[in-house]
Amino acid sequence: AQTVTQSQPEMSVQEAETVTLSCTYDTSESNYYLFWYKQPPSRQMILVIRQEAYKQQNATENRFSVNFQKAAKSFSLKISDSQLGDTAMYFCAFMKHGSGNTPLVFGKGTRLSVIA
Amino acid sequence: DTGVSQDPRHKITKRGQNVTFRCDPISEHNRLYWYRQTLGQGPEFLTYFQNEAQLEKSRLLSDRFSAERPKGSFSTLEIQRTEQGDSAMYLCASTGGYPPYNEQFFGPGTRLTVL
Repeated sequence: AQTVTQSQPEMSVQEAETVTLSCTYDTSESNYYLFWYKQPPSRQMILVIRQEAYKQQNATENRFSVNFQKAAKSFSLKISDSQLGDTAMYFCAFMKHGSGNTPLVFGKGTRLSVIA
Repeated sequence: DTGVSQDPRHKITKRGQNVTFRCDPISEHNRLYWYRQTLGQGPEFLTYFQNEAQLEKSRLLSDRFSAERPKGSFSTLEIQRTEQGDSAMYLCASTGGYPPYNEQFFGPGTRLTVL
């Protein structure tokens, strides 16, 4: 069974600064996907960024980037130039690679507050 | 923008009552997932469908829970004889269609409160 651990229940960052959210996971699978999802207050969850385990290059989406360390089973999210709209719960998630889309396994989340 | 929709958004019920939630996925998506999210936790997988076939159920899905997806379109999740421990946000997600194939699109959720 896969597990995902987010060790930072809450974090805060000043507007325009950079923050890094941590995530570690445990799996015996060799091929899988990792995701960061954002859940704003009272709004639905949206995908922030995705990483395929077979790709060594770290994924980047505008101000969001990841540091994927496969051997260490670590997958951190860096948010640059933080904005007030980045305030949300952030969930790290794992998905096995299979014949179709298998269910996501989520961490407990990190509540990020961006302070003006 | 026709995303994933869920109905109702909120449901308050008394212990022992039955409740039913509905999820309408994005129209071309063939896979539909149900997750449960309790306060302070990440979503936990309950069950998922490919078209009308229920492919997997987690151990969280007790005998009081049943899910259907007739005709491979919308899905319903029914909880019989609700208990206070069933209070949670029930999330629906769908995936399929064109790449990126593996992105799950989430609905707004149904928040259940069992008194």
